[in-house]
Amino acid sequence: AQKITQTQPGMFVQEKEAVTLDCTYDTSDPSYGLFWYKQPSSGEMIFLIYQGSYDQQNATEGRYSLNFQKARKSANLVISASQLGDSAMYFCAMSLNQAGTALIFGKGTTLSVSS
Amino acid sequence: EAGVTQFPSHSVIEKGQTVTLRCDPISGHDNLYWYRRVMGKEIKFLLHFVKESKQDESGMPNNRFLAERTGGTYSTLKVQPAELEDSGVYFCASSQMTAYTDTQYFGPGTRLTVL
Repeated sequence: AQKITQTQPGMFVQEKEAVTLDCTYDTSDPSYGLFWYKQPSSGEMIFLIYQGSYDQQNATEGRYSLNFQKARKSANLVISASQLGDSAMYFCAMSLNQAGTALIFGKGTTLSVSS
Repeated sequence: EAGVTQFPSHSVIEKGQTVTLRCDPISGHDNLYWYRRVMGKEIKFLLHFVKESKQDESGMPNNRFLAERTGGTYSTLKVQPAELEDSGVYFCASSQMTAYTDTQYFGPGTRLTVL
């Protein structure tokens, strides 16, 4: 069955440090997409980064990068130079066939950034 | 460009009452999705519209839930009659599929409390 697993309920990091949020996925479909979303305390879900299963290179968007290890079925989010505003819940999600299907979400990881 | 909007932001109703949630997608987005997060659980898919047609409603919990998308623009999700287990945050997302990906952009959610 298709599944997303986020094993870290909470993570703590100091400002300016890098942090890695773990995500593993399970699917037998060869074509899929992986997403990370951020949900601050205000509640909205903000799209951060996308990785397609056929992408050769890891996705990057500013301070966010996705460490995609296909053989291990992991898609960890790396946030470099953490900022106080990065404190939020982070969700990893997967879509099958890369496009046009529902997202399957993990339970989320709460990141707390301290000064 | 305006993002996905949802109304109301909060709704508190009694068991047995009816509630209608509304979602306005990003202009021009053909795909519209509804998701729900029950307290402590993962965000779960409810259904997917492509324009005005229901593409996938496999996540709808039961026939107390009715979704519509008039003219392929905004969508409503009606719960009638509401039960206690319907409490949660209802998210709407929209996307414009490309050949490569289908990034879904989320609204702020409607928090539904059934007493």
